[in-house]
Amino acid sequence: DQQVKQNSPSLSVQEGRISILNCDYTNSMFDYFLWYKKYPAEGPTFLISISSIKDKNEDGRFTVFLNKSAKHLSLHIVPSQPGDSAVYFCAAIYRLAGNQFYFGTGTSLTVIP
Amino acid sequence: GAVVSQHPSRVICKSGTSVKIECRSLDFQATTMFWYRQFPKQSLMLMATSNEGSKATYEQGVEKDKFLINHASLTLSTLTVTSAHPEDSSFYICSAQQGRDEKLFFGSGTQLSVL
Repeated sequence: DQQVKQNSPSLSVQEGRISILNCDYTNSMFDYFLWYKKYPAEGPTFLISISSIKDKNEDGRFTVFLNKSAKHLSLHIVPSQPGDSAVYFCAAIYRLAGNQFYFGTGTSLTVIP
Repeated sequence: GAVVSQHPSRVICKSGTSVKIECRSLDFQATTMFWYRQFPKQSLMLMATSNEGSKATYEQGVEKDKFLINHASLTLSTLTVTSAHPEDSSFYICSAQQGRDEKLFFGSGTQLSVL
């Protein structure tokens, strides 16, 4: 049962425009969410996170929005750069339940120069 | 930032042989390490969770006798794929967590190809 879902397997965006990657989850007990970026043949790297007590967290060009009522989060990248082309995974955890991370299936972002 | 070293990065082996993959946390003590497997175009599938000094907890459907995990110290976990078969060919990734920190730090992954 996939508790974290990324329904768009791929996304193409023109350089300089905004990239919006979406993630939905089913477990209302999740209280911390993270985004990871992964290049081919490499391990994922942490990008940005957000606690469930917030609805927005910003770090440079990256902003994560959380809508708890909709069980939805999104990652905005603006402006998008060719180096942002990678697979992006969202992840959720329920901290009180231990260390189990639940990953989405990933969205492959291509930024076109 | 925290660094997790995983090696080898790529291994090609014959069917029936065993392959060991190492995962080391270089600048922190990893109380928990995770092993993932990624198939092309699919998510990271958690295989097992290991805590230092105790037996690994395997996810449903993962053969613990085939994928041996040893977390002998706070900085080292190993995954041994025993009697590898072509269907075991995949990209294996380890990750480490310090205490109950929310962030996971990933190794660079190992591409296993079984001929």
